[in-house]
Amino acid sequence: DTGVSQNPRHKITKRGQNVTFRCDPISEHNRLYWYRQTLGQGPEFLTYFQNEAQLEKSRLLSDRFSAERPKGSFSTLEIQRTEQGDSAMYLCASRRTDRVNTGELFFGEGSRLTVL
Amino acid sequence: AQSVTQLDSQVPVFEEAPVELRCNYSSSVSVYLFWYVQYPNQGLQLLLKYLSGSTLVKGINGFEAEFNKSQTSFHLRKPSVHISDTAEYFCAVMGIQGAQKLVFGQGTRLTINP
Repeated sequence: DTGVSQNPRHKITKRGQNVTFRCDPISEHNRLYWYRQTLGQGPEFLTYFQNEAQLEKSRLLSDRFSAERPKGSFSTLEIQRTEQGDSAMYLCASRRTDRVNTGELFFGEGSRLTVL
Repeated sequence: AQSVTQLDSQVPVFEEAPVELRCNYSSSVSVYLFWYVQYPNQGLQLLLKYLSGSTLVKGINGFEAEFNKSQTSFHLRKPSVHISDTAEYFCAVMGIQGAQKLVFGQGTRLTINP
């Protein structure tokens, strides 16, 4: 396993700009999750995919946020018209739910967003 | 729905002393339980997990945790800490069915003093 990969690791943007983060999960992991973590807090669930289907979205995910996983492999998280309150670490995680189910989520290093 | 309460936001201890990080959870369904560690500017790394079976689980770096169903607790312990254990520790629960998403506590910052 090469691990969960996230890009970019850091992004600084001005308020009102759009940003996109990419997550490459561990191969053969059918589930992919996005979390947001602000300073001093635990990660908060945003959304998750089973293969290419987005099955659940948190109320934290406003209309300015959109996530896709077009071919059931990598995923993107786009934030439109960024606000200063969007500044956070965005974490991606993946897991498999077949017979080799160890229960745990495997996390990437995160993408840190700073909105000026 | 599930929720997690980590009872201490910060825990300072001296090197080679024992430590316990407390975690209580609430859930209307059966859950799996996890402890993750986060070093500065890094992602989350699994320390240990409880899925079923023995209520005492051992993890990496000498950590262990005990699942107590009646008290809905999953406290993390280490008999002797090292400077390298300085990090943020997160307790998390996962409902066995459905989305199986992790719900995290707010974290406990463990600081090891020489």
